[in-house]
Amino acid sequence: DADVTQTPRNRITKTGKRIMLECSQTKGHDRMYWYRQDPGLGLRLIYYSFDVKDINKGEISDGYSVSRQAQAKFSLSLESAIPNQTALYFCATSDLDRLYGYTFGSGTRLTVV
Amino acid sequence: RKEVEQDPGPFNVPEGATVAFNCTYSNSASQSFFWYRQDCRKEPKLLMSVYSSGNEDGRFTAQLNRASQYISLLIRDSKLSDSATYLCAVNKVQGGKLIFGQGTELSVKP
Repeated sequence: DADVTQTPRNRITKTGKRIMLECSQTKGHDRMYWYRQDPGLGLRLIYYSFDVKDINKGEISDGYSVSRQAQAKFSLSLESAIPNQTALYFCATSDLDRLYGYTFGSGTRLTVV
Repeated sequence: RKEVEQDPGPFNVPEGATVAFNCTYSNSASQSFFWYRQDCRKEPKLLMSVYSSGNEDGRFTAQLNRASQYISLLIRDSKLSDSATYLCAVNKVQGGKLIFGQGTELSVKP
């Protein structure tokens, strides 16, 4: 099994629908992140969590919310999806004590029509 | 100005060529630096951490210039399999959130 698992892998949804993207990890890391990637814009941080009780907004949090259900689970919700939220979404984890950067999930390709 | 900026791409090079990417960062308090490789539509994977003294891993060499606030990645003897997008990433605190550059696409041709 992958260290960081994202579900679903692909999703097409309609404008106005609520959708949840899920992320779970087996690395035992405290820190988890949600990024979106758009062509030419790189990875942009949506939300991050340094432990279960700590949730922080990233640079593009509008229109999104998150829930850290447990150390191993971090979900991203789009309350009312809009077409410009069509993107590739990545979850990532990191360990404070290491200089090894992030471990990423395989991504969720979301299309809002 | 973006916090982290990379050379615009794409870079199209022949097999065997040496290619270098630069990445500048705006926050002088940045502490940790990384290069990631991303294949088309897949997750980024850590290629190298970048240390103050510079570091080398086979054909790949990463360097940090704190005075000028940039990091570089040198790829020698390019292979077809090196074709990918290379992302630099920077954070201010060890283990903290990473800020990514927009990525530079490399295409190695036969």
